[in-house]
Amino acid sequence: DADVTQTPRNRITKTGKRIMLECSQTKGHDRMYWYRQDPGLGLQLIYYSFDVKDINKGEISDGYSVSRQAQAKFSLSLESAIPNQTALYFCATSDSDRETDTQYFGPGTRLTVL
Amino acid sequence: AQKVTQAQTEISVVEKEDVTLDCVYETRDTTYYLFWYKQPPSGELVFLIRRNSFDEQNEISGRYSWNFQKSTSSFNFTITASQVVDSAVYFCALSDVYNFNKFYFGSGTKLNVKP
Repeated sequence: DADVTQTPRNRITKTGKRIMLECSQTKGHDRMYWYRQDPGLGLQLIYYSFDVKDINKGEISDGYSVSRQAQAKFSLSLESAIPNQTALYFCATSDSDRETDTQYFGPGTRLTVL
Repeated sequence: AQKVTQAQTEISVVEKEDVTLDCVYETRDTTYYLFWYKQPPSGELVFLIRRNSFDEQNEISGRYSWNFQKSTSSFNFTITASQVVDSAVYFCALSDVYNFNKFYFGSGTKLNVKP
């Protein structure tokens, strides 16, 4: 089984709808991240969480919110989706031990907002 | 400021050719980590390698090799005898250890390996 899972894998929705993307991990990592990837661009950080009670905004948090329900679960919400939020969304995890602080990514969720 | 530049947007090679993907980074820190990730057409991001700033030894893993040169702030990735399965987008990233290990990604290089 995959260490980092994301649901759904693909989603098509309409402008103005509320959408939640979910991420679960079995790696036992304390840190979790949400990124978005637009065609031809690298990854941009939306939100990150160091533990259940520590959530921080990234570079492009406007229009998004998150919830860290448990150490293993980190969800991303689009309160009112708009077309320019069409993108590939990745969840990632890492261990706060600096020597092994590699980020491991989920398979991605392809979101289309019509 | 931290920055990663992958100047090659897209590269096309024929199978069995060697290919080098360039990565140039900017940082004022003395301690940092560099990474390469592979994104195949299926879309997932696969971790390939991590290198810390104090280890400039080149690394080889099968057909993959990495050349880290602090003098030129580069961390280049070479694929020897490329195969069609190597076709993917490759991302270089820098982590800022003084800022929660925040990752800075390059814009990626798309590698097309033709049979």
